Amino acid sequence: EPEVTQTPSHQVTQMGQEVILRCVPISNHLYFYWYRQILGQKVEFLVSFYNNEISEKSEIFDDQFSVERPDGSNFTLKIRSTKLEDSAMYFCASATGTGDEKLFFGSGTQLSVL
Amino acid sequence: RKEVEQDPGPFNVPEGATVAFNCTYSNSASQSFFWYRQDCRKEPKLLMSVYSSGNEDGRFTAQLNRASQYISLLIRDSKLSDSATYLCAVNILGYQKVTFGTGTKLQVIP
Repeated sequence: EPEVTQTPSHQVTQMGQEVILRCVPISNHLYFYWYRQILGQKVEFLVSFYNNEISEKSEIFDDQFSVERPDGSNFTLKIRSTKLEDSAMYFCASATGTGDEKLFFGSGTQLSVL
Repeated sequence: RKEVEQDPGPFNVPEGATVAFNCTYSNSASQSFFWYRQDCRKEPKLLMSVYSSGNEDGRFTAQLNRASQYISLLIRDSKLSDSATYLCAVNILGYQKVTFGTGTKLQVIP
């Protein structure tokens, strides 16, 4: 069964450092998403991406965040200067684009900012 | 009012019991509705979509009430393996964004 893959599974970084979280969506999917979940809290929407452009973004997704689809398979989330409060599990998801918005999630990257 | 609201629980039920969760949404333009299951520190996994006519998948039944703006999930004959957090998710027509509720924690007890 096709799946969304994320790397790394864990990332530890120092405050102020840049991190790039990587995702390989399901190959025939057209819509891509990043969500985050702080421990004990809800799954929060960050950004959606379609046709090489951001479709929607939340208030959390400020200038410190960026997304990119550098090639035909990878989808990345960059945090330019990490803060302590960026510590969370980051989930990538993809959807077919046929309009049903069923999301398929990767297993996540646990980001710890020290 | 929150976009999507759920009772966080926990719901502690014995094996074999029937349990129901509700989820309310605030935006009447919401178009697509889903239930996801999330195990501890794992990714959400789609359990089922929720259709206007209601739908059933084995022991799971989902219903939508547009007038009152809520969706429900009914689990019959609960199994120990059903223990998880159940997330309600909503998409608004025309927006590439699925909003999740905080989740309802279910613990099925032997």
